[in-house]
Amino acid sequence: AIQMTQSPSSLSASVGDRVTITCRASQGIRNDLDWYQQKPGKAPKLLIYDASTLQSGVPSRFSGSASGTDFTLTISSLQPEDFATYYCLQDYTYPLTFGGGTKVEIK
Amino acid sequence: QVQLVQSGAEVKKPGSSVRVSCKTSGGTFSSFAITWVRQAPGQGLEWMGGLNPIFRTTNYAQRFQGRLTITADESTSTAYMELNSLRSEDTAVYYCAKARSPTLAFDIWGQGTMVTVSS
Repeated sequence: AIQMTQSPSSLSASVGDRVTITCRASQGIRNDLDWYQQKPGKAPKLLIYDASTLQSGVPSRFSGSASGTDFTLTISSLQPEDFATYYCLQDYTYPLTFGGGTKVEIK
Repeated sequence: QVQLVQSGAEVKKPGSSVRVSCKTSGGTFSSFAITWVRQAPGQGLEWMGGLNPIFRTTNYAQRFQGRLTITADESTSTAYMELNSLRSEDTAVYYCAKARSPTLAFDIWGQGTMVTVSS
């Protein structure tokens, strides 16, 4: 199975900060990588698919990029509603695999 | 707008089985893939398996092989996840989600079903 190594596992940031989260795939997955946001007690929400395509309705401060097997989620200016846990998911091949998650907390 | 509504919370004994349903509305059930993801308390997301009604195929994570069955009833637009031989480690919130065709990005999620396995 493809392993997705996500980093950092947690970070503290302030409103207005630029935040970057990374996922590294253990092998090539083209750009078949999605990013999800999850808030406590809620289902995950799709933010970005195909590594860099913004899901409809998601604010433009979220962006995704890819370089080989490294994938990055960037929040350009952190807002209060962005404090949550973020997960990557490779949907290139079965079994699908999630990264371990990154918890974004208030500094 | 497609909606997914899951069945209610369950409490099960070790060794028993649980079946969770995921009823879809607002879309053509046979046109999108459905997946099941679980989340143990305080833990991350874990992909369990999925169903593609278009190709009539199912895929399971290796760790659930032999214990997990995912099915669909097109007449009621409902997907099911059945997990057998439950153990305490299966205590988790179970989510269904639909894929944003033609990708496997999951754009619509059910509300989650808490399954507690306890003697």
